[in-house]
Amino acid sequence: SQQGEEDPQALSIQEGENATMNCSYKTSINNLQWYRQNSGRGLVHLILIRSNEREKHSGRLRVTLDTSKKSSSLLITASRAADTASYFCATDARGFKTIFGAGTRLFVKA
Amino acid sequence: DGGITQSPKYLFRKEGQNVTLSCEQNLNHDAMYWYRQDPGQGLRLIYYSQIVNDFQKGDIAEGYSVSREKKESFPLTVTSAQKNPTAFYLCASRPGTGDEKLFFGSGTQLSVL
Repeated sequence: SQQGEEDPQALSIQEGENATMNCSYKTSINNLQWYRQNSGRGLVHLILIRSNEREKHSGRLRVTLDTSKKSSSLLITASRAADTASYFCATDARGFKTIFGAGTRLFVKA
Repeated sequence: DGGITQSPKYLFRKEGQNVTLSCEQNLNHDAMYWYRQDPGQGLRLIYYSQIVNDFQKGDIAEGYSVSREKKESFPLTVTSAQKNPTAFYLCASRPGTGDEKLFFGSGTQLSVL
């Protein structure tokens, strides 16, 4: 079964707008990661946030983690057409088992 | 050039046939993973290995087998017992020492003839 569930499933915005994606998970975690996937390609790691962290930034990305609600959000500011991709959250619980959510498809219109 | 190499990029399987997907990494990573991705869906964990000569089942291991005889190689065999093998298969690795990101290969698309 999948640990993380993203919402929305799909998001369409104009270039320059912000995009927010949410992820919920079921069990206790060591860390939560966000990945990006262009169609038909492998995944690329974006950012990792540990269970004792609440917020993290990387360039135009901002990730928050609320362990009490078992949820995380990914904010992409000032989006560009090149940000069009699928975005996945992944969680590490026990050991090395990394579980992915179903993903959010982001489409940024130029 | 360091990274993960998956081959072939496209693979076709006939009814009742076993096929093997290759995954090789030169990153000196201990942990390796196989995921399956169906169209428009997320990734589901098939098998993972934390160290050479050891591997664990993921959430959808039935119909698949793996081996980890060398640190750099983690081949996945899709057996005839897997009745719906058409999917995009992704291999990944990580150093295996703590909180770490996964490095992914470019994937193999498997289709049934």
